[in-house]
Amino acid sequence: GEDVEQSLFLSVREGDSSVINCTYTDSSSTYLYWYKQEPGAGLQLLTYIFSNMDMKQDQRLTVLLNKKDKHLSLRIADTQTGDSAIYFCAESIRASGGSYIPTFGRGTSLIVHP
Amino acid sequence: DAGVTQSPTHLIKTRGQQVTLRCSPISGHKSVSWYQQVLGQGPQFIFQYYEKEERGRGNFPDRFSARQFPNYSSELNVNALLLGDSALYLCASSLGAGGIQEAQYFGPGTRLLVL
Repeated sequence: GEDVEQSLFLSVREGDSSVINCTYTDSSSTYLYWYKQEPGAGLQLLTYIFSNMDMKQDQRLTVLLNKKDKHLSLRIADTQTGDSAIYFCAESIRASGGSYIPTFGRGTSLIVHP
Repeated sequence: DAGVTQSPTHLIKTRGQQVTLRCSPISGHKSVSWYQQVLGQGPQFIFQYYEKEERGRGNFPDRFSARQFPNYSSELNVNALLLGDSALYLCASSLGAGGIQEAQYFGPGTRLLVL
């Protein structure tokens, strides 16, 4: 996960917007992913963006990509208590056998309080 | 449709033992990948298999091995268990051979505790 960095914690009030940030290192074209992990569960794919895009919106989720700075963010509008989870940013990296696999950051723990 | 399934959900072993974890991909998916997630970290890539062939290997010792069956299900084996192998083991499936645009879909994981 050294190639992808995220801040570890974010606390927001219910109803506010949350912004989770991530930086990555691969300068070539790549796919970038956001996953959500609830306690004791596996990872749920939330959304993804190709590095030639600046923005992608999907209901309450907005992904912004600054390719020059290699900075990715996930904005969650109208954050709810059910959004409390760990959010992982992942970058698609070419593995030794030629396939691409997601390389994950350490995750940002989002805490939503009333 | 069922998502990725893994068994068992929890497992307790002692040092030196061997363990086998199982995964069934989403119907129609031909690729299976394995990840290790220790507490407080993101998942670390172990293996990827496509059409029963190994397509990628992460930085894990030879104690870790895997295989994929003709029905695309997969097993991960870990020999000579160490305390540091305690982790959540995640399986993920994807449609094809691991192209750059292919998203991976994860199962709930197997939580392994080594005493």
